[in-house]
Formats: sequence, C-alpha cells, structure tokens
Amino acid sequence: QVQLVQSGAEVKKPGASVKVSCKASGYTFTSYDINWVRQATGQGLEWMGWMNPNSGNTGYAQKFQDRVTITRNTSINTNYMELSSLRSEDTAVYYCARGRLFDIWGQGTMVTVSS
Amino acid sequence: QSVLTQPPSASGTPGQRVTISCSGSSSNIGSNTVNWYQQLPGTAPKLLIYRNNQRPSGVPDRFSGSKSGTSASLAISGLQSEDEADYYCASWDDSLNGVFGGGTKLTVL
Repeated sequence: QVQLVQSGAEVKKPGASVKVSCKASGYTFTSYDINWVRQATGQGLEWMGWMNPNSGNTGYAQKFQDRVTITRNTSINTNYMELSSLRSEDTAVYYCARGRLFDIWGQGTMVTVSS
Repeated sequence: QSVLTQPPSASGTPGQRVTISCSGSSSNIGSNTVNWYQQLPGTAPKLLIYRNNQRPSGVPDRFSGSKSGTSASLAISGLQSEDEADYYCASWDDSLNGVFGGGTKLTVL
C-alpha cells in the first residue's frame, strides 16, 4: 500500500543538527512532491518546505530558510529533512506528507532538543 | 500565529451539524484551493477534504467542504463520538508556501 515511513525519534543538544528520513513505497517516488510539516506538543501544524523528487527543486518557509535542507535519494525512494542550529523551540514531531494535497502522511518523528 | 484563522474550539451533541470556519486572504485561500485534515489524538493528520469540497475515498459523506472568496468551511453532519478530533484547514500562498490554520478542537458532548 501507499505509505511514507519515517526514521525514529531523536534527542539532540542545542546547536546540533538533525536529519530525518522519509521512505516512500507503493507509488512512483518521483511523481509527487514531498512536504515537511512540524507540530510542537499541543500546537498546530507548521509547514517547513517541499521538494520535487524528480527535479530536486525545493522551496522553504521563510522562517526556516537559513536552517533547513531537504534532499533525496531516488535510488532508495527516500527524502530527507535536515534542520541545523537546533534550539529548544524546535522540539516537535516532524512529518513528511505527499504532494500538494498532503494526502499521505508519515507516522511522524519526535525530535527533542535538550541540554 | 497561523496564517489561516480557525476558531480554537467547537462542540456539538451526537447527531448535530457542526461547522468550522477558516479565514485567509487573497494571496492564499482567495487564489488557491483549500484542504481539510482530521487529527485524532496521538496520530498523524489525515486528509478529509481536498480541493475545497472533494472527499477522498473512504471519507463519509457526513463531511463536506465549501469555499467562498477568502474563506472556507468544513461541515460535519450527524455528529458522532468518533468525530472528536482536531481539524486543520490548509492552502497554498502565491509564493508556493504551504499555510495552515491553527486548528479547531472538536468536542462531542
């Protein structure tokens, strides 16, 4: 079935970077954009950026422009989101979601930033 | 502070009809379609309505969406206890940035 499977939970110190993966299966990976969305505990959804896995083109929310990088490895149908210079406010669940409709979501990856 | 504005909470009794509003601007809802997501506690969001008023396969016809100008609405008729969840509207802006509402917590009394 169509699914996105993300990597496991991470604990990082302030100032470090985190890289979360999102592996697609059940559809043609290069046919749909991948978006990244995060959600702090008890808060709403926040869009971070997108990538077209076919062209490699990306777009980032202005808030994260200087700290986020989205990449992909088409040979293993996997998309990555790396967030640098982590701070406590980055503690959240990070989701990948398919296409402009966000019709398929990954299960989420908890990233905790703590000293 | 979210780009799209939703009421933080809504409630209704079983069988009632409830609507949730989503307000934006000419640069997002006014020029792009709106999608709605349902998020049950501890789970990832699920696409509920896409392109303003389309239901994905498997979504009951109790859920409906509409859009007018720079606002959109989600209606749930025949409210059921399992509809208790958080609901988010989303769209795109003219710079191809995704935008979300702050979410509405629906309580079934």
